Amino acid sequence: DAGVIQSPRHEVTEMGQEVTLRCKPISGHDYLFWYRQTMMRGLELLIYFNNNVPIDDSGMPEDRFSAKMPNASFSTLKIQPSEPRDSAVYFCASSLTAGSPIYTFGSGTRLTVV
Amino acid sequence: RKEVEQDPGPFNVPEGATVAFNCTYSNSASQSFFWYRQDCRKEPKLLMSVYSSGNEDGRFTAQLNRASQYISLLIRDSKLSDSATYLCVVNKGGTALIFGKGTTLSVSS
Repeated sequence: DAGVIQSPRHEVTEMGQEVTLRCKPISGHDYLFWYRQTMMRGLELLIYFNNNVPIDDSGMPEDRFSAKMPNASFSTLKIQPSEPRDSAVYFCASSLTAGSPIYTFGSGTRLTVV
Repeated sequence: RKEVEQDPGPFNVPEGATVAFNCTYSNSASQSFFWYRQDCRKEPKLLMSVYSSGNEDGRFTAQLNRASQYISLLIRDSKLSDSATYLCVVNKGGTALIFGKGTTLSVSS
């Protein structure tokens, strides 16, 4: 398996623009997680899905952030409009169960909003 | 108070040294505990699980004290390749993993 695939690897955008991050989980993994990592706050859970259904989105910072999982092999995280404080590394991870210790992370998307 | 707290370091040690990292968690309902490792500009990866009885994996030893809500990781005979950030991770059971901010280790020759 190719692992969790995220795109793009790097994204530089201007404040106010829409940003879409993409993730392809490992086939057969029922859980998909979106995390955001910054120096100040560390790795924060934004939202997670079970069988394509959002289970907990309490970590989504505000209405500018939205996530979807239209099918078992694809998820998106969208920021509209983007702001400089959204600059971070966004990781997608998948696992067989939520409590499994083995989360497989993608390589992350490094987002810079200028 | 954050759910998982770690000393951010950095810990700078020479090769061969023994180093210990500590972590505390705030939710007594937490059920599972892990240490992840994250190399610079890479994704986090599972290092080891932490069991109440304590567990060892080569040069790495993890301990859990449920009464004090405290987790530790001991690395013996440090190698240059151990340089990384070590993330303390807890799970309340059936929910997503909660990560600490990490402790940075730098091993020098």
